[in-house]
Amino acid sequence: QQQVKQSPQSLIVQKGGISIINCAYENTAFDYFPWYQQFPGKGPALLIAIRPDVSEKKEGRFTISFNKSAKQFSLHIMDSQPGDSATYFCAASMVDYKLSFGAGTTVTVRA
Amino acid sequence: DTAVSQTPKYLVTQMGNDKSIKCEQNLGHDTMYWYKQDSKKFLKIMFSYNNKELIINETVPNRFSPKSPDKAHLNLHINSLELGDSAVYFCASSQESGASTDTQYFGPGTRLTVL
Repeated sequence: QQQVKQSPQSLIVQKGGISIINCAYENTAFDYFPWYQQFPGKGPALLIAIRPDVSEKKEGRFTISFNKSAKQFSLHIMDSQPGDSATYFCAASMVDYKLSFGAGTTVTVRA
Repeated sequence: DTAVSQTPKYLVTQMGNDKSIKCEQNLGHDTMYWYKQDSKKFLKIMFSYNNKELIINETVPNRFSPKSPDKAHLNLHINSLELGDSAVYFCASSQESGASTDTQYFGPGTRLTVL
């Protein structure tokens, strides 16, 4: 049973546009929400992460928005660039528990 | 310096064979993992070891057996390979087991193709 639901499965955005990926979870014991980025042929790598006591975290062009009451969080990629084309995984973790990944979103940025 | 390395990168084999994938991390981490990524890119954890002890063992056929000779290495041995085992297998490591904020560092993956 997947503990973190992620959508969309894929998206295409023009260069300079905004990419938005949404995730939802049920288990309120989760206390850390990282996003991993995976380029073709490579392993996933941590991109950005947030704790549920913060509603937004921004690092460069990447922003996580977190809605604790709705149990939802999202990744916004501003000014999307071709180099951002990758698969993005949201995840959730808690103490003494494995990291639960969403199903992934493949982002394609067209030049 | 490669933080988490896996060998081989590609593995093509016949059904019924036995094969191993090796993983090494030079980050000094205490915890290592094996993940399976299927053709739809879904990442599924298989095993986790902390200081050479098994701490996570998901519902994985017992044809899969992890072995950790020391905390820097976690190998995956697969017996009697089946077509459905074809996937990309990722090794990962993190600093300590149990902390929710631990970052997992992934290796480059091993693409296993069973013919």
